[in-house]
Amino acid sequence: GAVVSQHPSRVICKSGTSVKIECRSLDFQATTMFWYRQFPKQSLMLMATSNEGSKATYEQGVEKDKFLINHASLTLSTLTVTSAHPEDSSFYICSAPSPGTSAYEQYFGPGTRLTVT
Amino acid sequence: QKEVEQNSGPLSVPEGAIASLNCTYSDRGSQSFFWYRQYSGKSPELIMFIYSNGDKEDGRFTAQLNKASQYVSLLIRDSQPSDSATYLCAVITTGFQKLVFGTGTRLLVSP
Repeated sequence: GAVVSQHPSRVICKSGTSVKIECRSLDFQATTMFWYRQFPKQSLMLMATSNEGSKATYEQGVEKDKFLINHASLTLSTLTVTSAHPEDSSFYICSAPSPGTSAYEQYFGPGTRLTVT
Repeated sequence: QKEVEQNSGPLSVPEGAIASLNCTYSDRGSQSFFWYRQYSGKSPELIMFIYSNGDKEDGRFTAQLNKASQYVSLLIRDSQPSDSATYLCAVITTGFQKLVFGTGTRLLVSP
């Protein structure tokens, strides 16, 4: 199946700093990627849809100035958490639609666990 | 009412038994339904998707969809301890065309 990678897998940062998370489609091109956040014992919540060559679409309640998304190429989307706070500590997961299928047969990256101290 | 509802479990079944996982959804117009498996600390893995009423089988997994009753289920035959995980039901909503996840059902398969 389609492979999506994320880097880093874990990151610890201090409150007030920024953290960048990369999401790559390894063997296919993805004009659209999705960013999710999952808090412990909760389900995945869509944060934003990343579109190659255009602005990301953010879900209601997600601050676009805090969570900066850049879809620089057909294989790379980045999420930057700016001025991180402890409440931003979460599991961040990206996904991309499997090529040749509907946009919602998504393959997920391995996730990035962010801890803000 | 939550858009996608699942019993959080845990659902405990012995090895070799059939595990039945259920999910209900509120958007009657939803057309696409997905089951993901998530191991602790890992990201979700797509198991199956179903678009039409009825059953869809893939190996030991069978997805069942009943749009009139607005429920979708996943059956796992010959359950194995390695099937122990959280199973997430996801639905594409008609209005916003996004994938909405339930909170998941934790399955425990005992040897």
